[in-house]
Amino acid sequence: GAVVSQHPSWVICKSGTSVKIECRSLDFQATTMFWYRQFPKQSLMLMATSNEGSKATYEQGVEKDKFLINHASLTLSTLTVTSAHPEDSSFYICSARKGVDTEAFFGQGTRLTVV
Amino acid sequence: GNSVTQMEGPVTLSEEAFLTINCTYTATGYPSLFWYVQYPGEGLQLLLKATKADDKGSNKGFEATYRKETTSFHLEKGSVQVSDSAVYFCALTSSGSARQLTFGSGTQLTVLP
Repeated sequence: GAVVSQHPSWVICKSGTSVKIECRSLDFQATTMFWYRQFPKQSLMLMATSNEGSKATYEQGVEKDKFLINHASLTLSTLTVTSAHPEDSSFYICSARKGVDTEAFFGQGTRLTVV
Repeated sequence: GNSVTQMEGPVTLSEEAFLTINCTYTATGYPSLFWYVQYPGEGLQLLLKATKADDKGSNKGFEATYRKETTSFHLEKGSVQVSDSAVYFCALTSSGSARQLTFGSGTQLTVLP
């Protein structure tokens, strides 16, 4: 099956700093990538949808200036958490798919801890 | 809008027990239905799927049948193993152009030896 790789797997940062998380589709071109946030023992909440070469579409309640998403190529999307605070600590997961009616493949997730 | 309601956990079973995790959905149009599994500290893996009514998805001994009349997609396995311990998510994709996944709340399964 297709492989989606997220990096880093975990990161600890100081409050007020910014953190970048990468999501790569290793063996296919992803026209669309999704970013999710998962709180402990809860489901995945979709944060935003990004299509290559265009601005991301954010879900209601997600601050686009805080969670910067860039989908510069068909194999790479990045999520930057700007001026991170402890409440941003969470598990962030990306997924990618080739086309509208194709399966979405998930990265292994990134555990962000802001201290 | 779309929504998925899953049986609340956690569920604890002994090895070789029968497993059922209930899932019902609300959606417009004709959604595709999925079960994903998440092992500790990892992302989600697709377990099985069904794209139309009466389809049965199956994988690794797990099965689920797309029941349009009851809007359900219950996950079953006849004999669970310790290695099946994980969180299971029911999900659907809408029939809209984005076809985004909508997830249920997840069910934690623990299988004891």
